[in-house]
Amino acid sequence: EVQLLESGGGLVQPGGSLRLSCAASGFTFSTYDISWVRQAPGKGLEWVSAISGSGADTHYADSVKGRFTISRDNSKNTLYLQMNSLRAQDTAVYYCAREPSRRADYWGQGTLVTVSS
Amino acid sequence: EIVLTQSPATLSLSPGERATLSCWASQSISSYLAWYQQKPGQAPRLLIYDAFIRATGIPARFSGSGSGTDFTLTISSLEPEDFAVYYCQQRISWPLTFGGGTKVEIK
Repeated sequence: EVQLLESGGGLVQPGGSLRLSCAASGFTFSTYDISWVRQAPGKGLEWVSAISGSGADTHYADSVKGRFTISRDNSKNTLYLQMNSLRAQDTAVYYCAREPSRRADYWGQGTLVTVSS
Repeated sequence: EIVLTQSPATLSLSPGERATLSCWASQSISSYLAWYQQKPGQAPRLLIYDAFIRATGIPARFSGSGSGTDFTLTISSLEPEDFAVYYCQQRISWPLTFGGGTKVEIK
């Protein structure tokens, strides 16, 4: 069974940092691209970042470029999102999603990040 | 960045009725469009990809159509579990983008 489990969310002050993790199981992790998608409270979905299966290729939304870094450790079947210089607008539930070609077919349950003083 | 516009924002229908949701892209995205369903407190669920291909386990009452800039998600006869928010997402270029969503609510 494919499973994605996010962790690492919490309360952080503006300007602070946080690292999210997404632990994967039930599939060959290294052969899939993975995305981070976030959802601010009461708002719609916003794609944040994606990484190729090998980790060689990464992509970011303009809203996080230069502040967030996506990475993965295929030996640990784990995806990461390092978030720096956090702003109140980054407050959201962060989901990781598996990305076979042209779709996100499995999603985790999300981890809540709250940026507030 | 490709902008996706969904219409209507809210659709009020009764169980058994047909739902027609629209998604317009600011430029051609060929058939690289996916649809997702999200219920309160849950993660999104993939319904359709490549504009018309149903994902594994998705009932036949869900269908997708369109290409280029105009796309439609149709639910042929609404079941109680179909009342939710639906999002389209373009998959042709970075950054990937979502539409603002259509809420299908019980009338």
